[in-house]
Amino acid sequence: AQSVTQLGSHVSVSEGALVLLRCNYSSSVPPYLFWYVQYPNQGLQLLLKYTTGATLVKGINGFEAEFKKSETSFHLTKPSAHMSDAAEYFCAVSDPATQGAQKLVFGQGTRLTINP
Amino acid sequence: KAGVTQTPRYLIKTRGQQVTLSCSPISGHRSVSWYQQTPGQGLQFLFEYFSETQRNKGNFPGRFSGRQFSNSRSEMNVSTLELGDSALYLCASTRGLSSTEAFFGQGTRLTVV
Repeated sequence: AQSVTQLGSHVSVSEGALVLLRCNYSSSVPPYLFWYVQYPNQGLQLLLKYTTGATLVKGINGFEAEFKKSETSFHLTKPSAHMSDAAEYFCAVSDPATQGAQKLVFGQGTRLTINP
Repeated sequence: KAGVTQTPRYLIKTRGQQVTLSCSPISGHRSVSWYQQTPGQGLQFLFEYFSETQRNKGNFPGRFSGRQFSNSRSEMNVSTLELGDSALYLCASTRGLSSTEAFFGQGTRLTVV
């Protein structure tokens, strides 16, 4: 069965500093991988996804992630944090029972705090 | 274009009651999935519908059920509510079976007292 582990339930960085949110997955088949962001009292917004092809994927708001099959990782980075990046971030993997993103398995989430 | 719409946004129910939540997907999207989000269990998949058929179901008791209508709108129902059912219920829609982009609604916050 698929599973996702996000290392660190809470990450705090200074404004302008590098953001690194870690995600490791387990999957019996080549996975589709996703990062979502959730602001308070809101739904989830897709930041970026990996399906096939280039392993470094760029998303919205300056975020990017690299799929490393050998490490079963899909870490999320942003070179320079902004106050507006404060939110909860979820890594997810698709379930092979579906062909797309209809059934996602989520990590426990990482709350990102930005210090001024 | 309008996003995924979930109604109501907030709901307070008493233990033992039942509740129905509604989700209108993005126009043209035919697949709807439901998730439960709680602080303790995180985001958990409930079920998925495509063309009015339930295709996948998560590990939830039979008190949780859903359906999809011919216009792709979906409802989920929880009967005999328990305190532990208090959660944010999120709906997501995708265009088709191979779509890799799921769009989420803002959720319905259910509080059971």
